[in-house]
Amino acid sequence: DGGITQSPKYLFRKEGQNVTLSCEQNLNHDAMYWYRQDPGQGLRLIYYSQIVNDFQKGDIAEGYSVSREKKESFPLTVTSAQKNPTAFYLCASSREPGQGIRRAKNIQYFGAGTRLSVL
Amino acid sequence: AQSVSQHNHHVILSEAASLELGCNYSYGGTVNLFWYVQYPGQHLQLLLKYFSGDPLVKGIKGFEAEFIKSKFSFNLRKPSVQWSDTAEYFCAASTGGGNKLTFGTGTQLKVEL
Repeated sequence: DGGITQSPKYLFRKEGQNVTLSCEQNLNHDAMYWYRQDPGQGLRLIYYSQIVNDFQKGDIAEGYSVSREKKESFPLTVTSAQKNPTAFYLCASSREPGQGIRRAKNIQYFGAGTRLSVL
Repeated sequence: AQSVSQHNHHVILSEAASLELGCNYSYGGTVNLFWYVQYPGQHLQLLLKYFSGDPLVKGIKGFEAEFIKSKFSFNLRKPSVQWSDTAEYFCAASTGGGNKLTFGTGTQLKVEL
């Protein structure tokens, strides 16, 4: 059963604590992404990775960190520096960016999300 | 910087009514356009996409969207909505051959029986 698995489904963070959200995909996709979803704000890109051992900041990277040691895994750590972490976090993956005819393959597929709350 | 605007934040329709959700983007170059849907309790899934060619694209569940380059728009339409179409709809765009998506703020659609 191919897809993107995010865990846990619900997560609670205490003051000053770092928490890590898991994202695993078995679609053999090169690129992976983390988004944050807040009511009325849509999805905003936190970090993305187009290849193993490489990643770039998105629009709201402050207070977050990522790693990409394996093709299938892209964990997101919400650090204590993120002052407003309560949100719904979505992971996505796609084939590598391409040009011309390969663009047709570059659709992002999403996991079911992790809802993070602060205690 | 690229941006995507969805002007309808909440839409309430009766079953069988026609639907049109607005989406405008701000980017002058080659753009790829998408509509995603998030049903209650489910993950985000692709409704339809535009890369090039026929500006009228058809997606799943009877949805379609029209790319109008002169208006920088990619509005979503459905001639007759069903109660099961109740969901949040997101317009998104990426540029050229890249994969980085910019999303609109979403439109919450509620279809009443």
